[in-house]
Amino acid sequence: GDSVTQMEGPVTLSEEAFLTINCTYTATGYPSLFWYVQYPGEGLQLLLKATKADDKGSNKGFEATYRKETTSFHLEKGSVQVSDSAVYFCALSDQPGGFKTIFGAGTRLFVKA
Amino acid sequence: NAGVTQTPKFQVLKTGQSMTLQCAQDMNHEYMSWYRQDPGMGLRLIHYSVGAGITDQGEVPNGYNVSRSTTEDFPLRLLSAAPSQTSVYFCASSTQIQGRYGYTFGSGTRLTVV
Repeated sequence: GDSVTQMEGPVTLSEEAFLTINCTYTATGYPSLFWYVQYPGEGLQLLLKATKADDKGSNKGFEATYRKETTSFHLEKGSVQVSDSAVYFCALSDQPGGFKTIFGAGTRLFVKA
Repeated sequence: NAGVTQTPKFQVLKTGQSMTLQCAQDMNHEYMSWYRQDPGMGLRLIHYSVGAGITDQGEVPNGYNVSRSTTEDFPLRLLSAAPSQTSVYFCASSTQIQGRYGYTFGSGTRLTVV
């Protein structure tokens, strides 16, 4: 079945460093891909999405490009802030509207001042 | 504020007890889902619904029941709580109307079974 694999954490960076969190997926069809973020004590929030190959999702300085040839959707940010400290989840769905989503295990990011 | 509301936020149960986790959304979303979150395992789908009166099982449905009598509400019932059901439970809704994708999540219910 479909699955998502993302890099294990925690990832610890200094403020203004470049961030990459790797994510690869396995799917039989052409899923939509997502990154969600979870701040301490809260539910998940949709960070960005891409619905077809070569689409680039972006939000709040974060970007990810849907690479069908490498089945990847890596999350990047050019300059992280302390406020970006959170757990990041890569996810996929082959359903309309993105329900029945499959999530990766999550990557915890710590950003030091 | 529009969104997904979950109650209670915290709950402690004794083994064998039953309870219902409440979930309501006011965005008229057709899709609703329940997930559990366990350390190192991401989120796993318990049950989902594609509309009022229609529900189906996800990856880990055993020990849980759901119903969807209205578009707004999607309660999750634990039939006989077990320590393995200690987890954080999230309800989420989504829609494909206007080409929107992705879930809106509630803030979660932290359940401990002793």
